[in-house]
Amino acid sequence: DTEVTQTPKHLVMGMTNKKSLKCEQHMGHRAMYWYKQKAKKPPELMFVYSYEKLSINESVPSRFSPECPNSSLLNLHLHALQPEDSALYLCASSQDNREQYFGPGTRLTVT
Amino acid sequence: GQSLEQPSEVTAVEGAIVQINCTYQTSGFYGLSWYQQHDGGAPTFLSYNALDGLEETGRFSSFLSRSDSYGYLLLQELQMKDSASYFCAVGSTDSWGKLQFGAGTQVVVTP
Repeated sequence: DTEVTQTPKHLVMGMTNKKSLKCEQHMGHRAMYWYKQKAKKPPELMFVYSYEKLSINESVPSRFSPECPNSSLLNLHLHALQPEDSALYLCASSQDNREQYFGPGTRLTVT
Repeated sequence: GQSLEQPSEVTAVEGAIVQINCTYQTSGFYGLSWYQQHDGGAPTFLSYNALDGLEETGRFSSFLSRSDSYGYLLLQELQMKDSASYFCAVGSTDSWGKLQFGAGTQVVVTP
């Protein structure tokens, strides 16, 4: 199984809402990632978890809160987002520094 | 810091060969990766080079010259389905797991 799954596929939320994005991988990978991608732009790294510990936070605003409950799961909790946070949110996993497997993403719209 | 440069767009006809160049500046260079992303899809890993030379995977090949801080992705026997964005990405020993992506090259294949 070389698949990374993400739910939901689409999410529309208001600026006062709280929602969570979920990601799962069953490849036994040591690292999991959250990326944000705007249209026609490259993925932009947000967070890296290595062995379930947060190893990189790319100065992401606190309205985004990651969580890694176990080695297969990664969540991104969203609160008080702004319209400019609307984007495709991608989860990825990897075992080494060579290749990352991306999930299909959650397309988020903040109204 | 890190920076990568790649062309913004390349257009070619079916059956042709396309070369996408990528130059990079990074400390602690670890390797150069290439990802393909179709509109509305997620990035998928294509190839990886850590050492100088050519890596061949079917119709796609990737080359790296560490001394020149340069690499390229070669797409042969172009097919319509190859129309997509292609990103080069570098990894660094300074920060395990962190990939810095180039801005992406839009490849347009015409009949």
